[in-house]
Amino acid sequence: DAKTTQPPSMDCAEGRAANLPCNHSTISGNEYVYWYRQIHSQGPQYIIHGLKNNETNEMASLIITEDRKSSTLILPHATLRDTAVYYCIVRVGPSGATNKLIFGTGTLLAVQP
Amino acid sequence: GAVVSQHPSWVICKSGTSVKIECRSLDFQATTMFWYRQFPKQSLMLMATSNEGSKATYEQGVEKDKFLINHASLTLSTLTVTSAHPEDSSFYICSAIESVPQAFFGQGTRLTVV
Repeated sequence: DAKTTQPPSMDCAEGRAANLPCNHSTISGNEYVYWYRQIHSQGPQYIIHGLKNNETNEMASLIITEDRKSSTLILPHATLRDTAVYYCIVRVGPSGATNKLIFGTGTLLAVQP
Repeated sequence: GAVVSQHPSWVICKSGTSVKIECRSLDFQATTMFWYRQFPKQSLMLMATSNEGSKATYEQGVEKDKFLINHASLTLSTLTVTSAHPEDSSFYICSAIESVPQAFFGQGTRLTVV
């Protein structure tokens, strides 16, 4: 699976949009981009995933560049409860149930009041 | 979404004893579950892939005799830390994949070996 690079930490003001970048320059054509987050001392939570088109759900939006070498997770209106470590993961999927998720170091997003 | 439950949430044990951690998929069947370990201020490290009805696949550097994994049914996988030592103290997390692409994670088990 391709490796990802994320900034170690970011701050965001409460109520503002949080834009979390991720570089995955060696991504293959059949690899998807997944985002998870981990609130302190809890298991990771799925946020969103995409292949090449932009995606949006009730939690966030995922913007993938045309060359697919980078992506941005957008939390439109960050709240204090969004403070967590956000992980960007690329892997072959989604149909393979045996595909494992390899976590990088992630970005610690701190939402400030 | 689907629910994965781990038990216990935390456990303290004496050095040299064994500890069993359960991971259950509550509302779906999971032929494959994964076990992770996380040390403070570090990321999740994949330990092994647990396959229902067959032997687990361990990641490089993970001792299979130390961390025994049993996936006896489509809803239950167990991780047993044998002869635990203080260096085994960590946060252990399981995950399972339903038919949809996202993996669901348990709430984690905090193991402290004294």
